[in-house]
Amino acid sequence: AQRVTQPEKLLSVFKGAPVELKCNYSYSGSPELFWYVQYSRQRLQLLLRHISRESIKGFTADLNKGETSFHLKKPFAQEEDSAMYYCALDGSGNTGKLIFGQGTTLQVKP
Amino acid sequence: SAVISQKPSRDICQRGTSLTIQCQVDSQVTMMFWYRQQPGQSLTLIATANQGSEATYESGFVIDKFPISRPNLTFSTLTVSNMSPEDSSIYLCSVALTGGINYGYTFGSGTRLTVV
Repeated sequence: AQRVTQPEKLLSVFKGAPVELKCNYSYSGSPELFWYVQYSRQRLQLLLRHISRESIKGFTADLNKGETSFHLKKPFAQEEDSAMYYCALDGSGNTGKLIFGQGTTLQVKP
Repeated sequence: SAVISQKPSRDICQRGTSLTIQCQVDSQVTMMFWYRQQPGQSLTLIATANQGSEATYESGFVIDKFPISRPNLTFSTLTVSNMSPEDSSIYLCSVALTGGINYGYTFGSGTRLTVV
């Protein structure tokens, strides 16, 4: 079965500390993986897509097929990074059926 | 990238009634998607709306409960029918970002529905 697991509901760090938001997936094919972010009172927006291998707002995410993981990392957290983060898998061959993890709330304390 | 306008942004409805949610995109898109986010839960795909054909529903969702219209390539509606308190959720529409499906999806701002 296709599944996305984000084991932490809440991650709390101090400003300037490194951040790693965990995401593990279960998928039999070649996955298309995304990280979405939702800031307070804003709509859900795309942060990263694994296919682009990009860095956005200092965040990176590497697909590890051996560990079936797509963890989101940032070396130095900022207060403005506080938000809800969702890992998502595009299953069923790019048909738009996104399977979301439960989400992790990142809280960056001053 | 596509910009989605979704309305209403929120509503409080009586049980047994129906609510229609509208989603307008500023560019033509082949597929539009409707999601539900129940309180404290993640997003779950309800159905895929294609222009010119019936919507494709995911397991656990049926057309009688969630009828969808897709009259053209920029607009879709989702109706939540015969509502009960269990339908209280945030409903979101989504489309593929410019550049094709491999580039991800953008979402509307959501409709927060409370059924009393």
